[in-house]
Amino acid sequence: DQQVKQNSPSLSVQEGRISILNCDYTNSMFDYFLWYKKYPAEGPTFLISISSIKDKNEDGRFTVFLNKSAKHLSLHIVPSQPGDSAVYFCAASAGLTNAGNMLTFGGGTRLMVKP
Amino acid sequence: NAGVTQTPKFRVLKTGQSMTLLCAQDMNHEYMYWYRQDPGMGLRLIHYSVGEGTTAKGEVPDGYNVSRLKKQNFLLGLESAAPSQTSVYFCASRLIRGYTEAFFGQGTRLTVV
Repeated sequence: DQQVKQNSPSLSVQEGRISILNCDYTNSMFDYFLWYKKYPAEGPTFLISISSIKDKNEDGRFTVFLNKSAKHLSLHIVPSQPGDSAVYFCAASAGLTNAGNMLTFGGGTRLMVKP
Repeated sequence: NAGVTQTPKFRVLKTGQSMTLLCAQDMNHEYMYWYRQDPGMGLRLIHYSVGEGTTAKGEVPDGYNVSRLKKQNFLLGLESAAPSQTSVYFCASRLIRGYTEAFFGQGTRLTVV
């Protein structure tokens, strides 16, 4: 059973428009959520995170929203740029309650931004 | 500052062969992890370590062993490779327990024929 799910395998948007990537989770112990970006033949790189005490975190063009009651988070990219084309992974951890502090990942969403 | 470095980047094995993947981090991180990435399945945790001399099983540990003899290194071993272990392997490290990000290596693409 996947504890973190990204139900959209791919997403295509026009340059300059908004990209919205979604993620759902089932484990109520998760209290820290991260988004990673991955280019082909490279390792994932950290993009933005949010703790469960917040419902929004913003960093430049990237904003993550957390809806704890729905166990849902989303990543907004505004405006989208061709260089944003990559696979985006949602990840979650149980913070201080998890002995290994490991991240649990979703399956990823491939974002394609068309010029 | 190299961050997390994985060796090798690519490898082709025959079924039944063994090999060791090396992960080295220069950030003095306590926690280290080995993940595998398969299409549509995201990254799944194989094994992890919370400090030098410690290891623990993750979500998909079967067929793998690990060792962390030095804080900066985390080794992943395949004793008898199987085609089902064809995957991209990523090592990651994290500074401390709590609300921090993990840093990943560039990956090792392994093909077992």
